[in-house]
Amino acid sequence: DTGVSQDPRHKITKRGQNVTFRCDPISEHNRLYWYRQTLGQGPEFLTYFQNEAQLEKSRLLSDRFSAERPKGSFSTLEIQRTEQGDSAMYLCASSLSIDNYGYTFGSGTRLTVV
Amino acid sequence: LAKTTQPISMDSYEGQEVNITCSHNNIATNDYITWYQQFPSQGPRFIIQGYKTKVTNEVASLFIPADRKSSTLSLPRVSLSDTAVYYCLVRIGGSQGNLIFGKGTKLSVKP
Repeated sequence: DTGVSQDPRHKITKRGQNVTFRCDPISEHNRLYWYRQTLGQGPEFLTYFQNEAQLEKSRLLSDRFSAERPKGSFSTLEIQRTEQGDSAMYLCASSLSIDNYGYTFGSGTRLTVV
Repeated sequence: LAKTTQPISMDSYEGQEVNITCSHNNIATNDYITWYQQFPSQGPRFIIQGYKTKVTNEVASLFIPADRKSSTLSLPRVSLSDTAVYYCLVRIGGSQGNLIFGKGTKLSVKP
């Protein structure tokens, strides 16, 4: 197992387009998280899955954002009608329930909206 | 009002002990305090996690006072490779509150 994988590493899109990112967690991890990070800031929580169930979603998250984890393995994060303010690094992390907040993060997908 | 507060930056020399403090006045009562390290263009890397008093692992110690309104990450003998940004992660505002990363402390280790 090579850790948490994210695809693509970089994405440039025009404003108004839809984008989708993929995360493959560590195989035995049942929890999966999506975070967003802008330059000079700490990661901002977006949403969290336990197996295939989406258990928590940030109240600050626009309804243009949606995430799925259909079989409790990989996850996708979709942003519809992208805006320039969506430009950020999108980070995926996974963990076991017993790890509490001891996540393993992927290297992220850097999104640039032009 | 900031939810967590960390120094923006710190400088140190190789071989010194470095202590980075995060203030979190409104921390959830029954939840962990976690610290991460991040290098440029990489995701954060877990360092240490604790609930109260002191926790030590092979790379760091975490000191948490009884009131849990702050926590201090201690790196015993830093090297150049410890130059990175360090974040605390806590839940603010009760058990249903938000899980918040601090803004990070940029540690620069000099030879």
